[in-house]
This record gives sequence, structure tokens and C-alpha cells, in this order.
Amino acid sequence: AQSVSQHNHHVILSEAASLELGCNYSYGGTVNLFWYVQYPGQHLQLLLKYFSGDPLVKGIKGFEAEFIKSKFSFNLRKPSVQWSDTAEYFCAVRGDKIIFGKGTRLHILP
Amino acid sequence: NAGVTQTPKFRILKIGQSMTLQCTQDMNHNYMYWYRQDPGMGLKLIYYSVGAGITDKGEVPNGYNVSRSTTEDFPLRLELAAPSQTSVYFCASSYEDVGLYTFGSGTRLTVV
Repeated sequence: AQSVSQHNHHVILSEAASLELGCNYSYGGTVNLFWYVQYPGQHLQLLLKYFSGDPLVKGIKGFEAEFIKSKFSFNLRKPSVQWSDTAEYFCAVRGDKIIFGKGTRLHILP
Repeated sequence: NAGVTQTPKFRILKIGQSMTLQCTQDMNHNYMYWYRQDPGMGLKLIYYSVGAGITDKGEVPNGYNVSRSTTEDFPLRLELAAPSQTSVYFCASSYEDVGLYTFGSGTRLTVV
């Protein structure tokens, strides 16, 4: 059965720290992969996506993610976080259907 | 370009009451979706539609109904509100069913 797992439920970092949020999925076929972000009090918006091609994808606000097919992973990274990155981050996988992870709450200390 | 518009933003219902959550998109998207978001649980698909006149159940459809009479509108109906339906509801639309969603701003519903 298709599934997606986000390893970190709550992450607290100081400004300028590096970020990596884990996302793993299970599905036997071709997938589309997404990271969505939800800033406090706002709706979800697309951060970045992978459909095919270069497994390292770049999104908005300096975020990037790398698709490692052998590890069924699509981890989100940012080299230096800002206070404004405080938000909840959702990984999503589209195999035969789209499934969202449970989310990771990121809190950046000023 | 308004995107996806949801109304109301907040609502408190008593157990057993009914209400309709409205969702309208102006992007001429064929696909529309209703999700509920509960803390620590991510998003669960309630219902979806692939075009006007066509709807189907998602993962958690019980207690809800939908209709899609036009491309633009996809209302979600709660007939007999229960405390378990306390949640934040998001409507989304997409041009293709590949996961690229435009979300509405959400409706925070409390059933007491």
C-alpha cells in the first residue's frame, strides 16, 4: 500500500542553522513528489515538486529537495533558515493517489 | 485572479446542525478536492471531483456530501454535525490530477 512518512514531527532551530526534513515513501511505481508549506494562519502552498529529470529540485525561498530513488526519500533542505521559515511542512507523494505526510512543525528561534 | 475561495472562514455548530462549506475556483480547473486537517494527522481526503457532475469518495467521506453542478463550485455539506467533525477544512483545485494543488484559505469548524 502507498504510504508516506515524515520523520520529524516538531523541529526547533536557531536562525542561520541548516535544515533537513526527512520524507520517505512506499510505492512500487513512478511517483510525483511534493513539499507544501503552511505558514501560521495561512493555507498550504507549494514549496517545490519533482516529476522527473534532475533529482535535485529547487523551490521558493531557498529550499531544495533531493529525490533518492533507491532510498524512497525526498528530503527537504535549506542551508540557512530564517525566522520567517517558521511553518508546518508537508511532504506529499502521488503514486496511484496523492497522500500527504502528517507534517513537520518547524519553529525558528530569532 | 482570486484562485480558490472558501467561505466561511470560521464556524461553530451545535451537534446535529447542518451546514454547507462553500468552495469556488476561477481557474477553470477540472479537479477539485475537499480535505480535512487535524493536528498531527496531515490532510485526509474527504471527497473529490474530476469535473462537473462527477464526484467520488475519498479516504474519510462519512458524514459528508458534495455536489459539482458547475466547474467553478464544489460545496461540502455536513448533514448532522458531530464533534468528530471539528477540524480545519481545505478545498483545493488542480488542472490535472498530478498533485499540483491550489488550496483555499480554509474553514475552521468547531462542533459543540
